[in-house]
Amino acid sequence: GQNIDQPTEMTATEGAIVQINCTYQTSGFNGLFWYQQHAGEAPTFLSYNVLDGLEEKGRFSSFLSRSKGYSYLLLKELQMKDSASYLCAVTDSNYQLIWGAGTKLIIKP
Amino acid sequence: ETGVTQTPRHLVMGMTNKKSLKCEQHLGHNAMYWYKQSAKKPLELMFVYNFKEQTENNSVPSRFSPECPNSSHLFLHLHTLQPEDSALYLCASSQGGDPLAGGAGELFFGEGSRLTVL
Repeated sequence: GQNIDQPTEMTATEGAIVQINCTYQTSGFNGLFWYQQHAGEAPTFLSYNVLDGLEEKGRFSSFLSRSKGYSYLLLKELQMKDSASYLCAVTDSNYQLIWGAGTKLIIKP
Repeated sequence: ETGVTQTPRHLVMGMTNKKSLKCEQHLGHNAMYWYKQSAKKPLELMFVYNFKEQTENNSVPSRFSPECPNSSHLFLHLHTLQPEDSALYLCASSQGGDPLAGGAGELFFGEGSRLTVL
């Protein structure tokens, strides 16, 4: 079967750095997405990786290793507004999106 | 504001009621989706419409009935639901088309309709 694994919950301190991991086992691979979802709000697109390596976008970076079936989202200089759930999703060989259950990130002052 | 609007935001219904959820997108996209989101579970894809044609129906019970009158509007008609259907129902849109030709793309979600079935 197809599976996406990510931690259920993480806690970090304002101003610090946090890394949210995502591992996947899917039938083929056509890209990996990260979405952010604040409580009671719509998920919003953060990043897309299809090639190995690091993609940087401001305070957020996303890394992909296709050979390891692994990605991480790196958040730097954490702010209270970064408290949210972070969803990892992989596009398989049929271009179907397979979703993880999300990681709830709690930022403490 | 994501460009995708869902109504109502909250809905409480009995198991014998009939109600509908509405989704409208203002992004000029050609694909629209219904997802079910339950606590601590992955998003569950329910239906996909690509250029107004239904292309996915992921074994969804017939008590959920989608309707896509045009590429900007999507409905989810609900009847004789069960308490386990209580969840957040998310609508999304994307560029659509053939992913091999560069279609599909990232999803733009609405804020969801929180459904409670009593």
